[in-house]
Amino acid sequence: GESVGLHLPTLSVQEGDNSIINCAYSNSASDYFIWYKQESGKGPQFIIDIRSNMDKRQGQRVTVLLNKTVKHLSLQIAATQPGDSAVYFCAETPFRGNTPLVFGKGTRLSVIA
Amino acid sequence: ETGVTQSPTHLIKTRGQQVTLRCSSQSGHNTVSWYQQALGQGPQFIFQYYREEENGRGNFPPRFSGLQFPNYSSELNVNALELDDSALYLCASSTPLLGYNEQFFGPGTRLTVL
Repeated sequence: GESVGLHLPTLSVQEGDNSIINCAYSNSASDYFIWYKQESGKGPQFIIDIRSNMDKRQGQRVTVLLNKTVKHLSLQIAATQPGDSAVYFCAETPFRGNTPLVFGKGTRLSVIA
Repeated sequence: ETGVTQSPTHLIKTRGQQVTLRCSSQSGHNTVSWYQQALGQGPQFIFQYYREEENGRGNFPPRFSGLQFPNYSSELNVNALELDDSALYLCASSTPLLGYNEQFFGPGTRLTVL
């Protein structure tokens, strides 16, 4: 992936507001996309996934939108809580097979109480 | 069901030394992928092991090598350590038997090279 150095894009939101985190992916052949949450000093934690035959998928307080035309993903978090503060990464890969994940640039979400 | 575990959690080495990191895959998973995550960046794929064989490699030099054992646990070895090898090393386990490519990550090993 492209290097972003030490300065991740940052999104600051007020507790209770909705958050939208965006991601651009690069490989038109990818048909499976995953959002991960990574807290400081921990490994990435699965949040939600979506296959390319869908354009929207909802989970508990989270929604992922996929726009294949412009190769764009977004993660929406409803009623953002302090525990949502973390770095969020999108990853792309083919749905089938044992291929590696390609991670996008992360976004640091800071929730203001 | 046991999740992915990694050891050690932290270690400090000096330039030129060698290091071995360990990963135990989630129960039932036969594939382990290793990733390097430098500070402030997303994880970068190093290589993958499937049924004890290397099954794909990212853009890393040969001094990064690995092994997978019959119980599907895995080791990442790095020789001739360089300062830029300082990073969080993540392993992820998966299985093609699941029918799709979901990978489960361990907590990582933080390597500092001085």
